[in-house]
Amino acid sequence: QSVLTQPPSVSAAPGQKVTISCSGSSSDIGNNYVSWYQQLPGTAPKLLIYENNKRPSGIPDRFSGSKSGTSATLGITGLQTGDEADYYCGTWDRSLNIDVVFGGGTKLTVL
Amino acid sequence: EVQLVESGGGLVQPGGSLRLSCAASGFTFSNYWMKWVRQAPGKGLEWVANIKQDGSEKNYVDSVKGRFTISRDNAKTSLYLQMNSLRAEDTAVYYCAASLLSGRAYSSWGQGTLVTVSS
Repeated sequence: QSVLTQPPSVSAAPGQKVTISCSGSSSDIGNNYVSWYQQLPGTAPKLLIYENNKRPSGIPDRFSGSKSGTSATLGITGLQTGDEADYYCGTWDRSLNIDVVFGGGTKLTVL
Repeated sequence: EVQLVESGGGLVQPGGSLRLSCAASGFTFSNYWMKWVRQAPGKGLEWVANIKQDGSEKNYVDSVKGRFTISRDNAKTSLYLQMNSLRAEDTAVYYCAASLLSGRAYSSWGQGTLVTVSS
């Protein structure tokens, strides 16, 4: 059971928008930056968002991140079939002395 | 271009040992903390261990403390994970990762190496 709570799955049609939530507490999300990762089938995770809402070089602006209180959200607009993947949120949890705690992951299906 | 390439995975019996390696290139290896993350089959991501730039500080998830040892060789730009007393629950793909951006985000990942603990 993960410290951070994500919905197991979300789905939407091509071209539509989807959001994925990540819920935590004051010891993790509430006082630390959140990052988001995309894991395409059979590949390593890839950083999409860091410091709550920043995109690394090469990540399209269809991907966005936000944080409010003890929750964070990943948004994806203009969905493409190539976006079908597992998405994970991550942050530091000072109470557990763990470098990064990850959410359980959300499977995105593009219908 | 940043590259992290893991090696050393394989099939090992319970109680056995394995040493993973991660060859890094494309960035100043000695300037960054390095990490190991694992993913059990069909499961999510789990941070395993990290090591400071000069190797003076090491941290581990509770489930591997006393069994796994993280180390690095800055001259060879390589990261290692010595795994002893392996258990079935250690079966996973092991990724080497680096935080080259701020905010503890893992900006670079290797392709992973599969460790299977089974008799």
